[in-house]
Amino acid sequence: AQSVTQLDSHVSVSEGTPVLLRCNYSSSYSPSLFWYVQHPNKGLQLLLKYTSAATLVKGINGFEAEFKKSETSFHLTKPSAHMSDAAEYFCVVSDVREGRNFGNEKLTFGTGTRLTIIP
Amino acid sequence: EAGVAQSPRYKIIEKRQSVAFWCNPISGHATLYWYQQILGQGPKLLIQFQNNGVVDDSQLPKDRFSAERLKGVDSTLKIQPAKLEDSAVYLCASSLSAGGWSYEQYFGPGTRLTVT
Repeated sequence: AQSVTQLDSHVSVSEGTPVLLRCNYSSSYSPSLFWYVQHPNKGLQLLLKYTSAATLVKGINGFEAEFKKSETSFHLTKPSAHMSDAAEYFCVVSDVREGRNFGNEKLTFGTGTRLTIIP
Repeated sequence: EAGVAQSPRYKIIEKRQSVAFWCNPISGHATLYWYQQILGQGPKLLIQFQNNGVVDDSQLPKDRFSAERLKGVDSTLKIQPAKLEDSAVYLCASSLSAGGWSYEQYFGPGTRLTVT
């Protein structure tokens, strides 16, 4: 069974300072990992994804994440926070159910981390 | 490119009533998903369609929830009768299907259901 644990339910940082949102995963297979962002009253948007290529993944809006298999972690970082980054962030793991046929992937979401930016 | 459309955006019903949600995926996306997001939690997959066939409905409470995707395009999710614990945001997502690899899921804005 696959799962993700987001270690912080709420993170507050000052504008212009670094952001770190922590995520640990558990998976029986070689996982695909994602970070999604959810702004109030808007749909979930994909920030970045890891699919067994480079372990350092760059996403949109200056975010990046590093896949560390030895630590089973996939933490999300950004060098300098902006007010528009305030949102809910979800770490997501994808496992295949049977083989690698498309349509068999299943996303399991973490419980989310609410990021607050202090002016 | 138009995104995933959902309606209504908000719905308030009393327990034991029925409710239906509608989703129109991105044109050309063969795979459609319904998720339930309870306040303070991450989305949980309820059902996944590939064209008009069900791939996974293992977490759908089938005694009260039903979903269909006639003609492999639009989909409806129904709850009958609703319970208080069904209060949540219901998200629809869609993704491309080309075989052999995982593609990004695109999410709609969701329908916020309140059961009183």
